[in-house]
Amino acid sequence: EAGVVQSPRYKIIEKKQPVAFWCNPISGHNTLYWYLQNLGQGPELLIRYENEEAVDDSQLPKDRFSAERLKGVDSTLKIQPAELGDSAVYLCASSIRDREGELFFGEGSRLTVL
Amino acid sequence: GENVEQHPSTLSVQEGDSAVIKCTYSDSASNYFPWYKQELGKRPQLIIDIRSNVGEKKDQRIAVTLNKTAKHFSLHITETQPEDSAVYFCAASPLGGSYIPTFGRGTSLIVHP
Repeated sequence: EAGVVQSPRYKIIEKKQPVAFWCNPISGHNTLYWYLQNLGQGPELLIRYENEEAVDDSQLPKDRFSAERLKGVDSTLKIQPAELGDSAVYLCASSIRDREGELFFGEGSRLTVL
Repeated sequence: GENVEQHPSTLSVQEGDSAVIKCTYSDSASNYFPWYKQELGKRPQLIIDIRSNVGEKKDQRIAVTLNKTAKHFSLHITETQPEDSAVYFCAASPLGGSYIPTFGRGTSLIVHP
C-alpha cells in the first residue's frame, strides 16, 4: 500500500513569507495528524483531524498557522507569515479507526526560514 | 495533559550488547505505549507497542516492559546490530476517545561495529 505522502520535502524561504505543506494520507485512514519536530526533539502535535473535522487544534498557533482537510482526505498546513523559529520538520501522520494506536508517518517537510 | 520523559538522550553500545531506553509518563489515564524508530532523514516507524493490560511484550530482539504503578515503560534491544542505530521515541496515550500520543524527546542509539 502507498504510504503517507508529503510535499515539498524541503522548503527554504525568507522570514515573513508564506509557506504551505501538503499531505496525502493512506487511503481509508480517517484520522490525520500534523506534528512539528524540532531538531533533537520528539514530534509535537499541532492539529488532529477526524475525517474533515479538526478535533484537537489547541497547540496550533492560530495567529499564523492554519490547516484544512477538504473532503476528509488530503490536508494542507499553512504558515503566514513565517518566522525564524518556525524552522523545523513538519510531519504528517494518519491512522485507521480500528487501529488508531498505530500512526503512519510521512517523510516530513523540512522548513528553513532565513 | 500528558508529559513523557525519556532517558538517556544518547546511548552508545558495542555490537552484540543490549540497549535499554526508559520512559516515564504522568497521566494515569494513558493505556497505550508505542515505540517508534526514526533513521536519519527518514520517517518515524512503529516498531513495537504495549497496552496497559500486559506487563511485557516481545518481538524477536526487541521487548517492551510496562510498570503502570510506577508509570514507566522501557524498550529493550538485545544483540544489537549496526542497523539498530537510529533515534527511538516512546509515546503514551489513552486509547479510545481522543487518541493523541505524546512523544518523548527521543534517544539516539549508536551501535558500534
